Amino acid sequence: AQRVTQPEKLLSVFKGAPVELKCNYSYSGSPELFWYVQYSRQRLQLLLRHISRESIKGFTADLNKGETSFHLKKPFAQEEDSAMYYCALNSGGSNYKLTFGKGTLLTVNP
Amino acid sequence: NAGVTQTPKFRVLKTGQSMTLLCAQDMNHEYMYWYRQDPGMGLRLIHYSVGEGTTAKGEVPDGYNVSRLKKQNFLLGLESAAPSQTSVYFCASSYPLGQGNTGELFFGEGSRLTVL
Repeated sequence: AQRVTQPEKLLSVFKGAPVELKCNYSYSGSPELFWYVQYSRQRLQLLLRHISRESIKGFTADLNKGETSFHLKKPFAQEEDSAMYYCALNSGGSNYKLTFGKGTLLTVNP
Repeated sequence: NAGVTQTPKFRVLKTGQSMTLLCAQDMNHEYMYWYRQDPGMGLRLIHYSVGEGTTAKGEVPDGYNVSRLKKQNFLLGLESAAPSQTSVYFCASSYPLGQGNTGELFFGEGSRLTVL
């Protein structure tokens, strides 16, 4: 069965420190993985997708099929990065439906 | 272009009452979804639709019904509300993945439902 695990409910770092939000997945097929972010009082929105191998707002995420992981990283955290982050897996194949992890609340302290 | 709009934004119900949440999107998206968000549980898929006139069950469909009579609207119904259905409900829509589409989900602002 498909599953997305985000082991940390809360993560607190200081401004300028590196940050890594962990995500592990379980899926029998070829995974399509995403990171979504929800800033305070804003809608949930896409941050990045593994297939595009892009860097958004300084964040990157590499798919590691051997470790079934898709960790989100940023070398220097900013206060505006404080938000709830969700890792998501397309578990529907061609029907395309996302299974979300439970989320990690990131707080970047000044 | 309003994107995804949910109504109502807040609602308080008594146990056993019924209600319908409306989701409307103006992006001509094929796919629409209803999720619920609970503390410590993340987002869980209730029902989804891959096109007008079609619906399918998600991860937590019990106690909910949906309809997609028009492409732009996706209704979520609670026939007999229970306290366990107290949650924040999010609607989302997307194009199918592929054919140049990213499959990005566009979310509404959420509807906070309290069942007493």
